[in-house]
Order: sequence, then structure tokens, then C-alpha cells
Amino acid sequence: QQQVRQSPQSLTVWEGETAILNCSYEDSTFNYFPWYQQFPGEGPALLISIRSVSDKKEDGRFTIFFNKREKKLSLHITDSQPGDSATYFCAASGVNAGAKLTFGGGTRLTVRP
Amino acid sequence: EAAVTQSPRNKVTVTGGNVTLSCRQTNSHNYMYWYRQDTGHGLRLIHYSYGAGNLQIGDVPDGYKATRTTQEDFFLLLELASPSQTSLYFCASRPGLGDSYEQYFGPGTRLTVL
Repeated sequence: QQQVRQSPQSLTVWEGETAILNCSYEDSTFNYFPWYQQFPGEGPALLISIRSVSDKKEDGRFTIFFNKREKKLSLHITDSQPGDSATYFCAASGVNAGAKLTFGGGTRLTVRP
Repeated sequence: EAAVTQSPRNKVTVTGGNVTLSCRQTNSHNYMYWYRQDTGHGLRLIHYSYGAGNLQIGDVPDGYKATRTTQEDFFLLLELASPSQTSLYFCASRPGLGDSYEQYFGPGTRLTVL
């Protein structure tokens, strides 16, 4: 049973468009949600994160929207660039998880020039 | 910038073989983690540790042992490797609880079990 789910598995957008990556979770005790970005041949790296006390977190072209009631969040990438082509992982942690993160299956984003 | 290194970067072994994957972090982080990455499953936690001599069981521990010999070094052991353990393995580290939640990942080790 996957605690964190991501959709779609893959997404292709044109340069300049907004890419929307979705994530949902099941454990209501989760309260910290990081998104990691992974380029081919590299390890994941933290891109942006949000805590459950907020409903929005913005960092440049990257914005997380969080809906606690529905247990859903999304990552919006505005003005997408070919250099944003990567796999994006949603993850979650909470009071019962200690130091553990639970990752979703990932979304592979391709931005066409 | 946190630095996590892994060795080897690629490894091929046969079924029943003995494999050790190594991870070193040079940032004096308390926590270290071993994950496997498989298409469609994202990253799944195998084992983790909060200090030298400590070991915590992750979500997919079967067939794996791990040992944290020092603050810097964390090893993953496959004593009887099976084809189902063919995967991309990542090590990560983070500071202690109460500090940053960010995990810093190494470059990965690709393991193939024939």
C-alpha cells in the first residue's frame, strides 16, 4: 500500500508552459512535504518543501499548493524550461515517522523547446 | 554543501554472491540512510542509522544488512544477492532531529545481479 502517490507518471510540456505535478497521501499525521528533483545519473536534491500549517509555498518559478482536508498537494512549475526536465519526487514525513521520509513513485517531466 | 560519496558506482554480481556497498558523508550528519530506487516505486527505505553503532529497520529490509561503523561511514551488505535486488541504490544523510529536515543524497550505485 503506497502511502504517497504521484500523478501523472510522466508529463510533457512546451517551453514556457506551466507544468502541474500532483501528489496525494494517506497518513493524516504527515506534516512535512518536500519535493526532490533528480536529473539522470545523479541523486535526488531538495527543490522546495512545505509544512502542513501552510497552504502555499513559493520559490521562484516553483510553487507548492497544499490542501490538508483532501490530503493533496501539487507542484506548479511556471515558465517551464528545458533545464527543468527531470524526475520529481513528492515525499512526506510526520510526527510518527521520526527521521523517515516516504517517497512517491515520481513524475518524469520533459520540457520541449 | 553537504557531500555524500558512494562506491562502487557500478557493480555486477551473480545470484548468491556477496556484495558490500559503501557510503561516506563528510558533514558530521547524525542520520544516514540507504534507499533503493526502482521505476514506479520511487525511493524505498532499506535501513537507516542515527549514529555510529546504531541501526534502524526501514520499509524494505529483507535480504539486506547494514552497519554504521563511524559517524561518516555506512555500509549496505547483501550476503546472498538475488536478481530481485537489481536496482539503483542511494545513500543519504541529514543533520539530527530538530535541525534541517533536508536529506543529502549521494550519486548512487547501480547493482546488477545476474
